[in-house]
Amino acid sequence: QVQLVESGGGVVQPGRSLKLSCAASGFSFSNSVMHWVRQAPGKGLEWVAGISYDGGYKYYADSVKGRFTISRDNSKNTLYLQMNSLRAEDTAVCYCARSERGADAFDIWGQGTMVTVSS
Amino acid sequence: EIVLTQSPGTLSLSPGERATLSCRASQSVTSSYLAWYQQKPGQPPRLLIYGASSRASGIPDRFSGSGSGTDFTLTISRLEPEDFAVYFCQQYGSSYTFGQGTKLEIK
Repeated sequence: QVQLVESGGGVVQPGRSLKLSCAASGFSFSNSVMHWVRQAPGKGLEWVAGISYDGGYKYYADSVKGRFTISRDNSKNTLYLQMNSLRAEDTAVCYCARSERGADAFDIWGQGTMVTVSS
Repeated sequence: EIVLTQSPGTLSLSPGERATLSCRASQSVTSSYLAWYQQKPGQPPRLLIYGASSRASGIPDRFSGSGSGTDFTLTISRLEPEDFAVYFCQQYGSSYTFGQGTKLEIK
């Protein structure tokens, strides 16, 4: 069964850190480009970060550059997002998603994990 | 950054009617790298259309996409009750950006 399962969300104070994980199964994770996409409550979708097959290339939205780090462990079929210096505007449901190539639509999505930044 | 503007913001139609959703880009979308997604409350987005006009696996043929350059359209030929949802367009030719969404509601 093709599946992405996110974990690690929660409530965190402004300025603190949080690390999200996304476990993949049912498809070739190591041959997939992986992404994080977030959605603030009641709002639209925002692409956050992407990583190439082997982790050699990483790219970020301007809104998180320098604060967030995407990584992957192909031996564990797991994607990560390290989020530092969190702000209230980072509050969102965070989804991991897959594309077959960099220039490709996102064909597999996880159910999402909620990140709430609040004092 | 390519900005995608979707219209209308809300579309009120009845089951059996035809729905036409628009997505306009601030600059030409490379190689028609334009996708459409459907999202229902509490669920992740589901890929409907990629490459502007190709249906994703398992998507009914009542969904069709068209367009090129800066103007794209998603058409649902005959609305079924399960089609009422929010629809997003996305370009993936120059980084990745999403439109703000169109809510398709039952009239």
